[in-house]
Amino acid sequence: EAGVVQSPRYKIIEKKQPVAFWCNPISGHNTLYWYLQNLGQGPELLIRYENEEAVDDSQLPKDRFSAERLKGVDSTLKIQPAELGDSAVYLCASSQGGSFYEQYFGPGTRLTVT
Amino acid sequence: GNSVTQMEGPVTLSEEAFLTINCTYTATGYPSLFWYVQYPGEGLQLLLKATKADDKGSNKGFEATYRKETTSFHLEKGSVQVSDSAVYFCALSTTRGNEKLTFGTGTRLTIIP
Repeated sequence: EAGVVQSPRYKIIEKKQPVAFWCNPISGHNTLYWYLQNLGQGPELLIRYENEEAVDDSQLPKDRFSAERLKGVDSTLKIQPAELGDSAVYLCASSQGGSFYEQYFGPGTRLTVT
Repeated sequence: GNSVTQMEGPVTLSEEAFLTINCTYTATGYPSLFWYVQYPGEGLQLLLKATKADDKGSNKGFEATYRKETTSFHLEKGSVQVSDSAVYFCALSTTRGNEKLTFGTGTRLTIIP
């Protein structure tokens, strides 16, 4: 069974540019999470989807960050415009229906903003 | 609010040594506790968990006991191997499900042959 797929794995952009990250969850998993992991820190939840609905986006900085999950499968996280402080690893995770199930994490996208 | 405090790393041990990685927490409500592991180049994986006081989670030779009186969930392994080299994260959830995880900062473990 394929795991959570994320792309790109690495991205380097200049500040003020836009950037997008893509996540393909495990087949059949209808809960999808985006996390932010700063260097030397643990992951912090940005947004959680149940199917195509964002049920918890309280930690998403909505002035520059946006996310979508069309058709309740793949998801895209976007930053526009990027700032130097956005340099971090962006993790995607998925789980089966409902929150009692284990979260499976992708390898992450490492973003560097110069 | 919720927070998790982990032993600072990096930790370097020789193969077959005994491992302890300390984890303490503060939480509103009654948390479930978790240890996640991140091997180089891979995503986080759930290593073990415990959902109530005095429960012991175990997997791959690792163990951790939920200690409510000391608000701790220390990770232990009796004899580490080179393949255990990874970053270990302690985490908790106080929601009825496990959808809102609060992670510690992680402890990097290196095992030398």
